[in-house]
Amino acid sequence: QVTLRESGPALVKLTQTLTLTCTFSGFSLTTGMCVSWIRQPPGKAPEWLARIDWDDDKYYNTSLQTRLTISKGTSKNQVVLTMTNMGPVDTATYYCARHSKEGGDFDYWGQGTRVTVSS
Amino acid sequence: DVVMTQSPLSLPVTLGQPASISCRSSQSLAHFDGNTYLNWFQQRPGQSPRRLIYKVSNRDSGVPHRFSGSGSGTDFTLKISRVEAEDVGVYYCMQGSHWPWTFGQGTKVEIK
Repeated sequence: QVTLRESGPALVKLTQTLTLTCTFSGFSLTTGMCVSWIRQPPGKAPEWLARIDWDDDKYYNTSLQTRLTISKGTSKNQVVLTMTNMGPVDTATYYCARHSKEGGDFDYWGQGTRVTVSS
Repeated sequence: DVVMTQSPLSLPVTLGQPASISCRSSQSLAHFDGNTYLNWFQQRPGQSPRRLIYKVSNRDSGVPHRFSGSGSGTDFTLKISRVEAEDVGVYYCMQGSHWPWTFGQGTKVEIK
């Protein structure tokens, strides 16, 4: 079955760089398949951050694109997100999710990893 | 960015009664490829979001038939025909027609 799991630090300091890894199973990043990162601050709505496609095309939320980098990991079943210059507003649960090329149809989500930014 | 506006933000419902959530977009979600990429997600307390409906009205496998989606252009609706206890949670609409993809603020469904 399809599963995704996010991993990374639970705590990062102000101005540090956050690196998160999404490890997935039950599918491959082959034709038509994509993985996105989405975050959700406590008590707020989700916010789409970045996406990587099977052919290595990458897309970023315009409001954050100068701080974000998405890439495939060293393993074929991993996607990595880095976010630079972390601040208090970046405190959130970060999810990765699978979807097809069009429409943001996130059909499988990870359980999320909570990240707190501290001074 | 396309702004997604949901109403109401809080929806107390009696068990067995219907519920309806409205979602309006600041631009038409009709995509040039002919599809309308409006999705609905349910987030139960302490859980990850779960997709219920994609492309306006397509119910996901395993989603009860009491959930239905409708709409076009800028106006969309999620309906629950008879609310059950397991439907408690926050419901989000999300558009995938324009970059960046954006979510509504969420509607919290609770039992009266």
